[in-house]
Amino acid sequence: DGGITQSPKYLFRKEGQNVTLSCEQNLNHDAMYWYRQDPGQGLRLIYYSQIVNDFQKGDIAEGYSVSREKKESFPLTVTSAQKNPTAFYLCASSIQGPNSPLHFGNGTRLTVT
Amino acid sequence: GEDVEQSLFLSVREGDSSVINCTYTDSSSTYLYWYKQEPGAGLQLLTYIFSNMDMKQDQRLTVLLNKKDKHLSLRIADTQTGDSAIYFCAERMNTGNQFYFGTGTSLTVIP
Repeated sequence: DGGITQSPKYLFRKEGQNVTLSCEQNLNHDAMYWYRQDPGQGLRLIYYSQIVNDFQKGDIAEGYSVSREKKESFPLTVTSAQKNPTAFYLCASSIQGPNSPLHFGNGTRLTVT
Repeated sequence: GEDVEQSLFLSVREGDSSVINCTYTDSSSTYLYWYKQEPGAGLQLLTYIFSNMDMKQDQRLTVLLNKKDKHLSLRIADTQTGDSAIYFCAERMNTGNQFYFGTGTSLTVIP
């Protein structure tokens, strides 16, 4: 079955450590996205990529980095510069085109203490 | 980003209809979407409406779009306990591939 896989589901880190969240899709989608979800704030866009080797900052990119070396993969690194990293992170993908909804993974809950 | 607003909570009795409301800001949005999120999971696409439509019905779901007021609603008929979840509206911008999401409405269905 095609889909988006995020791993791990739960991740714990100490403050000051960088951590990388994995996102893989086998839907052959060109565009991939990372969102952060906090209670009562909905989803906020961190980074998105429309094509391999290219990506753009979203609304809250500070303290995060991404790479897009392969079409299937869009890992997100949460750096020690991110002041409040504890959150639920959602990866999504879509095909190019005017009516192409986002397809989501099941998310990774990151807790930094 | 764009402002997409929803009320945070809604409670209904099982069997009643639920209406979840959303206001958005960008009149050039092409498509508007409704997603459902169950606890600890990702978002599941429920339905969508093209910006030149006023209404779309899909089984128990009815989407109404008022472009003048930039208001979108999702009506769930005969609401069941399995409908308890967080519902997000989202708009796709006319340019680029960005989507903007509302804050989400937590629907609780009381048996």
